[in-house]
Amino acid sequence: DTAVSQTPKYLVTQMGNDKSIKCEQNLGHDTMYWYKQDSKKFLKIMFSYNNKELIINETVPNRFSPKSPDKAHLNLHINSLELGDSAVYFCASSRAHTGELFFGEGSRLTVL
Amino acid sequence: AQSVTQLDSQVPVFEEAPVELRCNYSSSVSVYLFWYVQYPNQGLQLLLKYLSGSTLVKGINGFEAEFNKSQTSFHLRKPSVHISDTAEYFCAVTPRGGGYNKLIFGAGTRLAVHP
Repeated sequence: DTAVSQTPKYLVTQMGNDKSIKCEQNLGHDTMYWYKQDSKKFLKIMFSYNNKELIINETVPNRFSPKSPDKAHLNLHINSLELGDSAVYFCASSRAHTGELFFGEGSRLTVL
Repeated sequence: AQSVTQLDSQVPVFEEAPVELRCNYSSSVSVYLFWYVQYPNQGLQLLLKYLSGSTLVKGINGFEAEFNKSQTSFHLRKPSVHISDTAEYFCAVTPRGGGYNKLIFGAGTRLAVHP
C-alpha cells in the first residue's frame, strides 16, 4: 500500500493549458503539503493544508490553486501553464509537531 | 526566518570510505533539524531528525548526525559508504513548536559513491 500517492507521475503539456495533479494519503495524517522541486533539485514549499484548511500559502502565482476535499486528499490545479512551471511537484503529509514529512514519488510536469 | 546552507553540492567518494555531508543553518528561533534522502526518480525519505536530547542522532542505513548549537551545524556522517548510498541528500529545518512542519530545505548534496 502506497502511503502518499500522486497522479499522474508524468505530465507533458503545452503552454497555456490547464492541468491538475492529485494526491492521496492513507496515513491518517492531518496535514498535507505541495512542494516544488526545480531543475537544480531545489525544494520549496508551496502550500499546506491542515484538516482541509489552508495554513501555508507561499508566494505562489494565483494560477496555482490547491483544493482539499477532505484531509486525505490535496489536489493541485494549475491554470495557463508557463514554461517556468516545468518541475517535479511533490505531495507530502505529516502529523503536527513531528517534523517528519512523508513524500509521494513526485509528478514531473513538462511544459512545452 | 530560517535558512539552510549545504556546503557541498557534490561529494564523490569511494565505496567503503567514510563520508561527511555538511549542513549549516540560520534561525532567530530554536529549530528542529532533519536529513532527508532522495534516490533517483523517487520522493524524499527521512534519514534522521534532531528534536531534543542527545546531540548525536542515529538514523537509518548507518547514518548519523551531530547537532552543534554553537556552530549552528548539523553534519551528516557515515563511516563506510556503499554504492547504494548514491543519492541526493537534503538538510532541512523547521521552527520548534511551529506545529505545521514548514520545512525549509537546503539546496541538496549529491553523494556519488564509486567502486
